[in-house]
Amino acid sequence: DGGITQSPKYLFRKEGQNVTLSCEQNLNHDAMYWYRQDPGQGLRLIYYSQIVNDFQKGDIAEGYSVSREKKESFPLTVTSAQKNPTAFYLCASTTDATNEKLFFGSGTQLSVL
Amino acid sequence: AQSVTQLGSHVSVSEGALVLLRCNYSSSVPPYLFWYVQYPNQGLQLLLKYTTGATLVKGINGFEAEFKKSETSFHLTKPSAHMSDAAEYFCAVNPYSSASKIIFGSGTRLSIRP
Repeated sequence: DGGITQSPKYLFRKEGQNVTLSCEQNLNHDAMYWYRQDPGQGLRLIYYSQIVNDFQKGDIAEGYSVSREKKESFPLTVTSAQKNPTAFYLCASTTDATNEKLFFGSGTQLSVL
Repeated sequence: AQSVTQLGSHVSVSEGALVLLRCNYSSSVPPYLFWYVQYPNQGLQLLLKYTTGATLVKGINGFEAEFKKSETSFHLTKPSAHMSDAAEYFCAVNPYSSASKIIFGSGTRLSIRP
């Protein structure tokens, strides 16, 4: 079955550590997105990529970095510069950037030790 | 600026009762409107969407929503709640037909009483 796979499901970060969240899709979608979800808040866009080797900052990109070396993969690194990283992180994709229907992965819960 | 307001962070109904989740939006251009559902520890799943045409939109699992331009509303309803409907529901607006511009509401948690 086609879909989006996020791993790990739970992740813990130590002070000053960078951690990377994985997102893989086999839907053959061009566009991929990373969202952050905090309790009682809507989703906020961190980064998005419309095509391989290209990505743009979203609304809350500070303290995060991404890469898009392959169409199927869009990993998110939470750097030590992100002072409040505890949140639920969601990866999503669409067929292309003009298509508004998002397909979501099952998320990664990141917590700080 | 575009925005989405969901009235009520938590709604509780009895099984078999009407479900009504409220969503109001502001947009400077005719918007695309969406409802997504999120089950615990999962990603979001599209319930229904309004782009153009008929203002009453039917979605999955018996849900429907009506776009009312005069009221800038897009409320979600279901005639009879089922225990499996317990989840978080997000209203979203997209004024530019681009997924990177979608604005999500803060969500409404729906609980179903036996």
